[in-house]
Amino acid sequence: AQSVTQLDSQVPVFEEAPVELRCNYSSSVSVYLFWYVQYPNQGLQLLLKYLSGSTLVKGINGFEAEFNKSQTSFHLRKPSVHISDTAEYFCAVSESLNPGFQKLVFGTGTRLLVSP
Amino acid sequence: NAGVTQTPKFRILKIGQSMTLQCTQDMNHNYMYWYRQDPGMGLKLIYYSVGAGITDKGEVPNGYNVSRSTTEDFPLRLELAAPSQTSVYFCASSTGTTPLHFGNGTRLTVT
Repeated sequence: AQSVTQLDSQVPVFEEAPVELRCNYSSSVSVYLFWYVQYPNQGLQLLLKYLSGSTLVKGINGFEAEFNKSQTSFHLRKPSVHISDTAEYFCAVSESLNPGFQKLVFGTGTRLLVSP
Repeated sequence: NAGVTQTPKFRILKIGQSMTLQCTQDMNHNYMYWYRQDPGMGLKLIYYSVGAGITDKGEVPNGYNVSRSTTEDFPLRLELAAPSQTSVYFCASSTGTTPLHFGNGTRLTVT
C-alpha cells in the first residue's frame, strides 16, 4: 500500500530565506505526486504535480519540487519565502492509472511559519 | 465561477443525530470525493464517485453514506453522529488531467 511521510510537522523560517519541505513516499508501482497548500479556513489548492517527464517540477507562487525515484522523495522548495506563504502544505501520492481519477493518499502536513 | 460549494460551513450535532453535508460543483467534473481532515492526521478519503450513480468506499467509510444522483451533487450523510466524527470535511472534484478542486470545508462538532 502507498504511504506518504512528511517528516516535519512545523517549519519556522524568516522572510526572504530559502525553505525546503520534505516528503517521502512508499509505493510498489509508478506514482503520481502532488503538493497542495491550505491557507487558513480554506480548502486545498494544487501547488504542483509530477505525472511523468522532467523530475524538476515548477509550480505556482515560485515553488518547485524534485522527484527523486531512488530516494523515493518529492521535496518542495522555494528560494525566498514571503509572509504570505504561511500555510499548511500537504504532499500526496496517487497510484491511479487514470490521471483524472486521483485516489490520493495525503501526508500529515507541514505548517510553514514565515516571520519578518 | 463557483467551483466546489459546500454547505453548511459549520455545524454542531448532538450524539445520535443525523445530518447531510451538501456538496455541489459547476465544472461538469465526473469524479467527486469526500475527505475528512483531523489535526496532525492529514486528509483521509471517506467515499468517492466516478460518475452519476457510481460510488465506492474510501479509507474511512464507516458511519457515512453517499449518493450521486446527478453529476453536480455529492451529498455525505451521517446517520448516527458520534464524537469520533468531529472533523473538518472537504469535498473535491476532478476530471481528465485536472487537479482536484476542493471546497472550503464544513467544520463539524459532535457533542
